[in-house]
Amino acid sequence: DGGITQSPKYLFRKEGQNVTLSCEQNLNHDAMYWYRQDPGQGLRLIYYSQIVNDFQKGDIAEGYSVSREKKESFPLTVTSAQKNPTAFYLCASQGRTSTDTQYFGPGTRLTVL
Amino acid sequence: QQQVKQSPQSLIVQKGGISIINCAYENTAFDYFPWYQQFPGKGPALLIAIRPDVSEKKEGRFTISFNKSAKQFSLHIMDSQPGDSATYFCAASGRGGADGLTFGKGTHLIIQP
Repeated sequence: DGGITQSPKYLFRKEGQNVTLSCEQNLNHDAMYWYRQDPGQGLRLIYYSQIVNDFQKGDIAEGYSVSREKKESFPLTVTSAQKNPTAFYLCASQGRTSTDTQYFGPGTRLTVL
Repeated sequence: QQQVKQSPQSLIVQKGGISIINCAYENTAFDYFPWYQQFPGKGPALLIAIRPDVSEKKEGRFTISFNKSAKQFSLHIMDSQPGDSATYFCAASGRGGADGLTFGKGTHLIIQP
């Protein structure tokens, strides 16, 4: 999985709780991304960050928050405002040049009980 | 919303046959078109990618054909093997993927022995 770790692999959350998903990369990549995957829906971009202390909303940012305090780390918080949070969450990173590949982590499966 | 349309949703091919998956995009600013392979419970892995300055790219048994005027691109898997059974996603992006990828909804490919 190209030096990207995500934890935990499985996460269960009660309704009304916030939960934070971890993503760490040792590839020295500047850019990091969070995607959500639902069955039959492909991957959809939640947030991305091209540099430390800066990030942008993707297509489905509502109900999510992120931080980028370190180059290696890009945690995603799923808040209680996210109406349908059960999904497979994937973190990715990409190097500086436009020819660099976007590498994905192994994913975290979040289930709301 | 920018979209990438992928077809078919599922595909069954006999071992040794050719698997063909098609994608179409709308945004003419897209300049990077990768294909990802995903096995159940895993993160996607880059298979092959193309830029619009070429009409075809081949890597081993995998070939991308690109038609800029039609805004379409396709993945051909030659001599398909049971180990190729997976879900395949096409994607597209501007700026080489720096602003995140827009994915198709995926094709579930089954190679029958």
